[in-house]
Amino acid sequence: DTAVSQTPKYLVTQMGNDKSIKCEQNLGHDTMYWYKQDSKKFLKIMFSYNNKELIINETVPNRFSPKSPDKAHLNLHINSLELGDSAVYFCASSQGLYRGPVDNEQFFGPGTRLTVL
Amino acid sequence: AQSVTQLGSHVSVSEGALVLLRCNYSSSVPPYLFWYVQYPNQGLQLLLKYTSAATLVKGINGFEAEFKKSETSFHLTKPSAHMSDAAEYFCAVSVYRGGFKTIFGAGTRLFVKA
Repeated sequence: DTAVSQTPKYLVTQMGNDKSIKCEQNLGHDTMYWYKQDSKKFLKIMFSYNNKELIINETVPNRFSPKSPDKAHLNLHINSLELGDSAVYFCASSQGLYRGPVDNEQFFGPGTRLTVL
Repeated sequence: AQSVTQLGSHVSVSEGALVLLRCNYSSSVPPYLFWYVQYPNQGLQLLLKYTSAATLVKGINGFEAEFKKSETSFHLTKPSAHMSDAAEYFCAVSVYRGGFKTIFGAGTRLFVKA
């Protein structure tokens, strides 16, 4: 009974392809996130959704399109993949980004390692 | 703007030695600070969090951190390192920007030598 799960764990693809990563949380949390971790381990937020509504979009190229069919799921679709998209992508959730700073503890999934060739 | 700075991208200690990972924050308001750990090929998990209730915060696996306002620091310590502590450690701050958002430091990789 994993709290935050992501599929696939590894994704290897060619430049120009379109791919999706799926995320699900069973914690009953209101808020979900996508983070990108580069090769130097720097972690940067990409998007956050609260109850299926987009809250934060950190100037991510519009080739990246998140979709939240319900508050337990947040998927990430990437069009026209580029070499620079190679990274580990983490999904996370928190109780709610409006609930307070301390209650915003992040629960992370295991990550999806994307390699673009 | 609120942010955190981690001093040292790599720290190496011997097994049984003191672990000290440094984090300084910049904030004009009371900060809400966290330490997360990332073991190899895993996601991040919370080690501990500062809630302003106490300046010395105890976390999991024997780690603790002390909030020092005068030094704007929130350093992470553990008295005796274990091999299993080898991981990447992230200091983070929760900021309000239309909703609470977590800003992560650049991370410090801890190596533990036998």
